Amino acid sequence: QVQLVQSGAELKEPGASVRISCKASGNIFSDFIIHWLRQAPGERPEWMGWINVGLQSTYYAHDLRGRFTISADTSANTVYMELTTLKSEETAIFFCANEKGGRFDYWGQGTLVTVSS
Amino acid sequence: DILMTQSPSTLSASVGDRVTITCRASQSFVRFLAWYQQKPGKAPKLLISQVSTLESGVPSRFSGSESGTEFTLTISSLQPDDFATYYCQQYYNYPLTFGAGTRVEIK
Repeated sequence: QVQLVQSGAELKEPGASVRISCKASGNIFSDFIIHWLRQAPGERPEWMGWINVGLQSTYYAHDLRGRFTISADTSANTVYMELTTLKSEETAIFFCANEKGGRFDYWGQGTLVTVSS
Repeated sequence: DILMTQSPSTLSASVGDRVTITCRASQSFVRFLAWYQQKPGKAPKLLISQVSTLESGVPSRFSGSESGTEFTLTISSLQPDDFATYYCQQYYNYPLTFGAGTRVEIK
């Protein structure tokens, strides 16, 4: 069974960067396609991008390009996301999720990122 | 971007009720539609994919259908565990997009 375990909550000031980890298990790590999504309070999930771990290829939402990076450490079975130049309105819960044919069958537990001065 | 317009935003119902939630897509696509259930403080849970295919372990009271660009999630007999927020998601093209959600609350 696939399990995705994310790092803990973060408090960041506006303009700072945040890096969140997502440790994957239950499958061959190179077979994972991991997406990142975020969900602001009371809002719908927003898709951010994905990484194909085996191909080390990535694809990002257009409006995040330049500020958003997904990477993978195969030695640690862990995927990372980094979002730079945070804005206060970007306070959200960030989720990693396993792709199954375009939809998401396993999710991490979520990481709350609070952006506040 | 494909806009998913979901309705209603809130639905009040009683245990045993038949409940219907609708998502309308801004453009047509073929069958790449999923439904999720989300409870407070938890990640979404995949219920249905390919419009009408139930994921393993999902009760048969959940079903999905489509008519043109309109997609429907039906709960045939609402159970206490079903009070939650439901989202549709299209995975036909990028960016992947979700409906705004339907909160099913106790009447």
